[in-house]
Amino acid sequence: DTAVSQTPKYLVTQMGNDKSIKCEQNLGHDTMYWYKQDSKKFLKIMFSYNNKELIINETVPNRFSPKSPDKAHLNLHINSLELGDSAVYFCASSLGIAGPDTQYFGPGTRLTVL
Amino acid sequence: AQSVAQPEDQVNVAEGNPLTVKCTYSVSGNPYLFWYVQYPNRGLQFLLKYITGDNLVKGSYGFEAEFNKSQTSFHLKKPSALVSDSALYFCAVRDNSWGKFQFGAGTQVVVTP
Repeated sequence: DTAVSQTPKYLVTQMGNDKSIKCEQNLGHDTMYWYKQDSKKFLKIMFSYNNKELIINETVPNRFSPKSPDKAHLNLHINSLELGDSAVYFCASSLGIAGPDTQYFGPGTRLTVL
Repeated sequence: AQSVAQPEDQVNVAEGNPLTVKCTYSVSGNPYLFWYVQYPNRGLQFLLKYITGDNLVKGSYGFEAEFNKSQTSFHLKKPSALVSDSALYFCAVRDNSWGKFQFGAGTQVVVTP
């Protein structure tokens, strides 16, 4: 069983379109995250939810909107896609928000904006 | 504020030789330190973490890391590298509170036969 899954794995779209990426975890974790990995492989956190409540919201354009319908799901919707949004987006989850809690990552979604 | 540095963009090692990937950190309180590995076109896989106690932490795939508080370092080591260890390695730190991981920039490990 896949612990943290994301769909789709690849997403190719035109500038200006709206797209969503879905994430699900079956680990029973309370906390979920979205990260962006750029072309230089640098990882940056975007959002974090704990028990469906937003707890981390980095300086991300408001075209990005996360939604957590329940603890096991955290989706990312992106409006008006731009070339600079091209990246790999990773979902992750952890037991909670405590310091020692390990984050477990999904396989990633490679977004290409043309 | 917390930060983590991986001073080497790439580490090259021959198969069978020891492998070391360096990481230094800065946090205001007690650190929680993590190592992850990323294979091409894959997500990050957890290798090991330091919470407290023994400074030598053993993890997956024969990796270990040594916590050094005075040098604020958490270097990843493997006694005998395999070609299959070739991947991108990330160090991450989190302080003693809720909040985000701070990841290093990553170190590409290349193990040659």
